[in-house]
Amino acid sequence: DVKVTQSSRYLVKRTGEKVFLECVQDMDHENMFWYRQDPGLGLRLIYFSYDVKMKEKGDIPEGYSVSREKKERFSLILESASTNQTSMYLCASSLTSATGELFFGEGSRLTVL
Amino acid sequence: AQSVTQPDIHITVSEGASLELRCNYSYGATPYLFWYVQSPGQGLQLLLKYFSGDTLVQGIKGFEAEFKRSQSSFNLRKPSVHWSDAAEYFCAVGDNFNKFYFGSGTKLNVKP
Repeated sequence: DVKVTQSSRYLVKRTGEKVFLECVQDMDHENMFWYRQDPGLGLRLIYFSYDVKMKEKGDIPEGYSVSREKKERFSLILESASTNQTSMYLCASSLTSATGELFFGEGSRLTVL
Repeated sequence: AQSVTQPDIHITVSEGASLELRCNYSYGATPYLFWYVQSPGQGLQLLLKYFSGDTLVQGIKGFEAEFKRSQSSFNLRKPSVHWSDAAEYFCAVGDNFNKFYFGSGTKLNVKP
């Protein structure tokens, strides 16, 4: 069965802390994505990666960075967390094809105090 | 620019009643369309997808959706709702560059 695993389901951090959200997929997918989910706003794309060491900005990249050193792992980094980054973060992966669907992890709920 | 609109934020239906969730999209080329479901505290699970061919697609859990190009719509339907269908539903469109655009979601409540 396909699997996208997000290492932390719940995190509480303080303003100004550096935060790492980790995501691992076991499906050998080329593409990986980080979304942010907020009530009434749906899912908004932060960053995506279509290959190792490759990344592209999504719709809301400000305040975030990403790292993809290995194909199976895609990390989201908040260099200096702020309260407006309190949210649910969803990682997803897909194959490179026009018909490739997204497979999601269970999400990481981050609270910044 | 690509966009997806789900006009209903909340919907309440009685158990056993039929369901239709609306989705409209804006996309210049042939769209790749998806419906996902999210149970509380969980990630998103794919219900069904449309790429080409028959405009009526069947998915898991008894759901179906119909693609209507003339209306730019991809509405989700189920003939008889079960209490376990209570969740949030997201419509999405995928482009040729492997990017996906999501609607804001519709929360479904099911009355006993």
